[in-house]
Amino acid sequence: GDSVTQMEGPVTLSEEAFLTINCTYTATGYPSLFWYVQYPGEGLQLLLKATKADDKGSNKGFEATYRKETTSFHLEKGSVQVSDSAVYFCALSEGAQKLVFGQGTRLTINP
Amino acid sequence: DTAVSQTPKYLVTQMGNDKSIKCEQNLGHDTMYWYKQDSKKFLKIMFSYNNKELIINETVPNRFSPKSPDKAHLNLHINSLELGDSAVYFCASSPYRVSNTEAFFGQGTRLTVV
Repeated sequence: GDSVTQMEGPVTLSEEAFLTINCTYTATGYPSLFWYVQYPGEGLQLLLKATKADDKGSNKGFEATYRKETTSFHLEKGSVQVSDSAVYFCALSEGAQKLVFGQGTRLTINP
Repeated sequence: DTAVSQTPKYLVTQMGNDKSIKCEQNLGHDTMYWYKQDSKKFLKIMFSYNNKELIINETVPNRFSPKSPDKAHLNLHINSLELGDSAVYFCASSPYRVSNTEAFFGQGTRLTVV
């Protein structure tokens, strides 16, 4: 079945550092790919998405490019802020009416 | 206005009890979901409903029974609660095909079984 694998956390960075969170997926067809973010005590919010190969999703300074050849959707940000501290989830959806999530990566940004 | 609202936010109960979690969405979406998040933050789908019809049941024990009285509501009833049911339960909704759009999540219900 479909699955998503994210880099192990937790990840701790200093403010203004460069961020990469790796995400790879396994799917039989052509899924849509998502990054969701969960701030402490809250539900998940969509951060960005890409629905076909080579699409780049972007939002709030975060970017991820749908790479079909490497089945990856890595999340990047050039300069992180303390307010980016959260748990980040990579997810896919392939027609079926559900999202399949990775295990989540906890990110902590220190001032 | 809260798009997807769940009640209660916290629920502490004893083993063997029966409890319900309510969910309502005011987005006009056709599809609603229940997800379970374990202590390691791993999220797994439990159920999906489309226009009050069950379309996904991910091998969840039959102690868990979802009920959708209309397409804006999806409640989760749990019988004979067990310690392993302790988790955060998230309700979500989306337009018909979540692959083309986003799902909106509630704030979660933290269930603790003692």
